[in-house]
Amino acid sequence: GAVVSQHPSRVICKSGTSVKIECRSLDFQATTMFWYRQFPKQSLMLMATSNEGSKATYEQGVEKDKFLINHASLTLSTLTVTSAHPEDSSFYICSAQIGQGNQPQHFGDGTRLSIL
Amino acid sequence: RKEVEQDPGPFNVPEGATVAFNCTYSNSASQSFFWYRQDCRKEPKLLMSVYSSGNEDGRFTAQLNRASQYISLLIRDSKLSDSATYLCVVNSWGNQFYFGTGTSLTVIP
Repeated sequence: GAVVSQHPSRVICKSGTSVKIECRSLDFQATTMFWYRQFPKQSLMLMATSNEGSKATYEQGVEKDKFLINHASLTLSTLTVTSAHPEDSSFYICSAQIGQGNQPQHFGDGTRLSIL
Repeated sequence: RKEVEQDPGPFNVPEGATVAFNCTYSNSASQSFFWYRQDCRKEPKLLMSVYSSGNEDGRFTAQLNRASQYISLLIRDSKLSDSATYLCVVNSWGNQFYFGTGTSLTVIP
């Protein structure tokens, strides 16, 4: 069964809108979650590592003021795409590890974002 | 040099064939290794972890070669439903995960 839940699965909205995506770990606590973006026919790109109770760590080239990450509890991380534009349209996926160390990541269902 | 490299393919194989993918990694201190499967427009799903001794799960066999720094995935008796992109993932330094670009597999009737 799913261990990571992501919501919403699909968003279509107008340019300039801010969109919040939620990522929840089910039945386990995740001190670290990861946010990825994937464009069509391209590989996953790590955007940021979300750390519970502290600031997220952003990858080079990812604007932290554009992609706001909040990890206020051990089971929830949110990604807000602020003032979204058509070029932000993509597949956004979160993931979390059960435990740490050598455990694999488990992915949420992903959110397909389309900005008109 | 990329942390993880995979042949993107595509691999087009007939049903019932055996197909193998390799993935190389650059960090000799890498701790853990995984194969994921990603279907079109879906999230990656964990296929199997890769252990030093090699491991098998039904038609799928994963192996790790630390000396040559590569992992492999072997799929026997390919099914149409095996068509997907297979991602190699390497974990270094705790929660630093590195993804390969994925290998596309199409199993043809």
